Amino acid sequence: DIQMTQSPSTLSASVGDRVTITCRASQSISDWLAWYQHKAGEAPKLLIYRASTLESGVPSRFSGSGSGTEFTLTISSLQPDDFATYYCQQYNSYSNTFGGGTKVEIK
Amino acid sequence: QVQLQESGPGLVKPSQTLSLTCTVSGGSISNGNYYWSWIRQTAGKGLEWMGHIYSIGGTNYNPSLKSRVTISVDASKNQFSLKLSSVTAADTAVYFCARGIVASLFDKWGRGTLVTVSS
Repeated sequence: DIQMTQSPSTLSASVGDRVTITCRASQSISDWLAWYQHKAGEAPKLLIYRASTLESGVPSRFSGSGSGTEFTLTISSLQPDDFATYYCQQYNSYSNTFGGGTKVEIK
Repeated sequence: QVQLQESGPGLVKPSQTLSLTCTVSGGSISNGNYYWSWIRQTAGKGLEWMGHIYSIGGTNYNPSLKSRVTISVDASKNQFSLKLSSVTAADTAVYFCARGIVASLFDKWGRGTLVTVSS
């Protein structure tokens, strides 16, 4: 299985901050990487796919980059609605795998 | 707007079979090339894809669960279901149903349902 490692596991930030989350794959996945946002009790939300393509309706303050084994999710200016847990996922194959998550907390 | 909703017992005894249903609203489960999927979130292993059923039939399962998982669809009710046999405490998790596009890219999810395995 391809292992996905996210860092940090927790991030404390303030409204307006620029936030970056890193995801590393144990082997190359090209750009078959997605990012999801999850708030407790709600359905997870697809933010980005193919490493850098924004899902329809997702604010432009979210961006993704990377290829191969190293990827980043950036929130250019953190908004109150963005406090949540973020997961990366490789979907290179049916046996897709998720990162352990990054919880973005209010500082 | 397609929505998914999980339902089923919140408590299952060890060695029994866990059964959950996902009801799809806002669109037909039979339309389009979608992969109707189950994903769970455990305290120990995080998010884990369990398997999917393709909208025109055919299933794929996570090899680590393959011997215990069955996913089926009831198009007349616009639902798909999960059965996980011989459960143990390690199967205690929040279970999500999701719609997959390009097999394993999930663009719609349910809110999840907590299932506890305990006697």
